[in-house]
Amino acid sequence: SQQGEEDPQALSIQEGENATMNCSYKTSINNLQWYRQNSGRGLVHLILIRSNEREKHSGRLRVTLDTSKKSSSLLITASRAADTASYFCATDAGYQKVTFGIGTKLQVIP
Amino acid sequence: EAGVTQSPTHLIKTRGQQATLRCSPISGHTSVYWYQQALGLGLQFLLWYDEGEERNRGNFPPRFSGRQFPNYSSELNVNALELEDSALYLCASSKDSFYGYTFGSGTRLTVV
Repeated sequence: SQQGEEDPQALSIQEGENATMNCSYKTSINNLQWYRQNSGRGLVHLILIRSNEREKHSGRLRVTLDTSKKSSSLLITASRAADTASYFCATDAGYQKVTFGIGTKLQVIP
Repeated sequence: EAGVTQSPTHLIKTRGQQATLRCSPISGHTSVYWYQQALGLGLQFLLWYDEGEERNRGNFPPRFSGRQFPNYSSELNVNALELEDSALYLCASSKDSFYGYTFGSGTRLTVV
């Protein structure tokens, strides 16, 4: 069963615009992670935010976590064509139980 | 540092056959995780191995099994293959999920 659910399922933007993806989950978590997947290949770990953190930055990525609403968002600023990929959130509820959502497909149009 | 390596990249099998998929974790990582990603779906957790032991498994039938070797590499075996087993099988390793996972490029299994 899926713990995290990404929204929207698909997103198409112009190069240079910002992209925002959301993730909602159901149970308490230790941390939440975001991954990128290009064309059905392996996933690349982007950023991890712990349950006691509210915001985290890494380059053009900004992640927020609201544990009261059980939701997270991933913002990619100044998007590039190379950012075209599927983005997954993964929730770690402890005991190595990391559950992935079904992903958001992002298309950045040059 | 070498990443997580998976072999083979592609595998085509006939229904009823057995498939064996292999994974080598990053050096120093003792945990190996297997996930199934069917077309258009998210990742479904299959198995977690740590220190040679199966620690947890997802909601998959017993014909999905595996093992972890003393060098921490791992093997996933799928017996009595069914058409719906066609998917991308991803292996990941970590020191601890507290730090996130490193994924391999996957094995695409096609059952015909």
